Amino acid sequence: GAGVSQSPSNKVTEKGKDVELRCDPISGHTALYWYRQSLGQGLEFLIYFQGNSAPDKSGLPSDRFSAERTGGSVSTLTIQRTQQEDSAVYLCASSLAAGTGGKQYFGPGTRLTVT
Amino acid sequence: GIQVEQSPPDLILQEGANSTLRCNFSDSVNNLQWFHQNPWGQLINLFYIPSGTKQNGRLSATTVATERYSLLYISSSQTTDSGVYFCAVNFGNEKLTFGTGTRLTIIP
Repeated sequence: GAGVSQSPSNKVTEKGKDVELRCDPISGHTALYWYRQSLGQGLEFLIYFQGNSAPDKSGLPSDRFSAERTGGSVSTLTIQRTQQEDSAVYLCASSLAAGTGGKQYFGPGTRLTVT
Repeated sequence: GIQVEQSPPDLILQEGANSTLRCNFSDSVNNLQWFHQNPWGQLINLFYIPSGTKQNGRLSATTVATERYSLLYISSSQTTDSGVYFCAVNFGNEKLTFGTGTRLTIIP
């Protein structure tokens, strides 16, 4: 069956521009997660959705970052006024969320480069 | 703060060799997962193992939750095993906290 998909696979943007990253979770998975992987910081959690609500936004690094999920499916991560330190691979994961710590399945990521 | 440490950071082996990767965590965990990140960046879930031992082909994993560590064993390694191996844990909530990874290079 289809796995988690993300688009675009690569995005190059100029400093100060806004970007939107998209995640399509595995069908039927109610939990959705965004992570970021950068050279200096490793893999770090950004935000978690259960259905359309986000009970844990603790990892969002600044108010320039926001995310939404509609229809309990697709999610969009938006970064406003991008900075060079935002350059990273943004990874999305989904799980059945059958209790705390469900097995998470990751998408291929979006590589964001801010010039 | 909560920490997840992996060792060794780098490992270079000849094809056919066996290896053991270690993950130590600083607090009680609800769950622990092992991932392989291939050279194209894709994270593949290897094991979901909060405790006990599991095996899948040439790979096996053991988590001793009371002693706060997990081990990943790779036997008869192949070049396709190259990549970075991460352990990741849930500390009482949904988010995964990742270790710093072990970079494994298998030489033909």
